[in-house]
Amino acid sequence: EAGVAQSPRYKIIEKRQSVAFWCNPISGHATLYWYQQILGQGPKLLIQFQNNGVVDDSQLPKDRFSAERLKGVDSTLKIQPAKLEDSAVYLCASSPPGGAEKLFFGSGTQLSVL
Amino acid sequence: AQSVTQPDIHITVSEGASLELRCNYSYGATPYLFWYVQSPGQGLQLLLKYFSGDTLVQGIKGFEAEFKRSQSSFNLRKPSVHWSDAAEYFCAVGDTGGFKTIFGAGTRLFVKA
Repeated sequence: EAGVAQSPRYKIIEKRQSVAFWCNPISGHATLYWYQQILGQGPKLLIQFQNNGVVDDSQLPKDRFSAERLKGVDSTLKIQPAKLEDSAVYLCASSPPGGAEKLFFGSGTQLSVL
Repeated sequence: AQSVTQPDIHITVSEGASLELRCNYSYGATPYLFWYVQSPGQGLQLLLKYFSGDTLVQGIKGFEAEFKRSQSSFNLRKPSVHWSDAAEYFCAVGDTGGFKTIFGAGTRLFVKA
């Protein structure tokens, strides 16, 4: 079974630039999550999709972050413009229908904002 | 609001020694509880989970955890640590159905020879 795919693996940008991350969840997983993991901290949920609808985006900084999952499969997370404090690992996870009894995580995208 | 506290930022144990990682949670109802492990440069992998029933749950890689409602705790244990267990461990709590999972700050485990 293929896992959660994320790209790119690493990204270095300067502040005020824009960046986009891509995630392809496990086939059949209806729920997709984007987490932000700052060095030394646990993952923080940014946004949760159920199919192509947003379930929770209460912690997404909407002035600069956006995410979409147009066809209910893969998803893109964008930051525009980036700030220094956005340096983190961005993790995508998915879970099968019925609840998040188990989250399957991708390897993440490590973002460095200079 | 649900929250998770992992009191120990890092722990060092000798290979072959026993391990206990602490986790305390705050949640109004019966929580869904998880332990995940993260190796360097990797995503998180589920070790074990508790939803209901037997309060002692077994997981992968020889780990177990015990749910204690009276103490709001869900501590992770392993009787004999291997060098390959060195990683970061995250305790997490989910709401009913596990739809919203909140993670603790993590405990980094170092294993010395």
